[in-house]
Amino acid sequence: DVKVTQSSRYLVKRTGEKVFLECVQDMDHENMFWYRQDPGLGLRLIYFSYDVKMKEKGDIPEGYSVSREKKERFSLILESASTNQTSMYLCASSVNTEAFFGQGTRLTVV
Amino acid sequence: GENVEQHPSTLSVQEGDSAVIKCTYSDSASNYFPWYKQELGKRPQLIIDIRSNVGEKKDQRIAVTLNKTAKHFSLHITETQPEDSAVYFCAASRDGGYQKVTFGTGTKLQVIP
Repeated sequence: DVKVTQSSRYLVKRTGEKVFLECVQDMDHENMFWYRQDPGLGLRLIYFSYDVKMKEKGDIPEGYSVSREKKERFSLILESASTNQTSMYLCASSVNTEAFFGQGTRLTVV
Repeated sequence: GENVEQHPSTLSVQEGDSAVIKCTYSDSASNYFPWYKQELGKRPQLIIDIRSNVGEKKDQRIAVTLNKTAKHFSLHITETQPEDSAVYFCAASRDGGYQKVTFGTGTKLQVIP
């Protein structure tokens, strides 16, 4: 079974903090994604990566950055957390087309 | 870029009835259309997909249809059961190379026993 693991299930951070969300996959997938999920808005793509050190902006990259130093790990960084970044964050990896998701990180910024 | 619209946002059906969820896409180059099911508190999982060279695909009680000309695709669930209750997402992407997958906004399906 493909395994996509996110480092935290729940996080509470303060406004202005730098936040790191980590994602690891164990199936040697080239493609990795970060989405945020908000009620009524579905899954919106923040960033994706198709290879080590490669990254592409998604639909809502503002306020976020990413890092992919190793193939299996894709990190999402909130440079200065704000309350409007309170959300569920989902990481995914894919080969060919099917995307496999992590369990999600519910981030609350207070 | 691609834009995927999904309707309805919520859907309630009686157990045993059929449910239909519809999506439209904007990028004529999209050729892969998956559907994901997300049960409460769980991660989205692929339940069925269709490629642009196929008009319809079935897997037991679920089926997906694709109209390339109109740029819309639909999910059909027959003989619904309480365990079908979940949020369903449609998506679109281009096959091959690396793919940016664009999701719809989701449909919350409730099957009433």
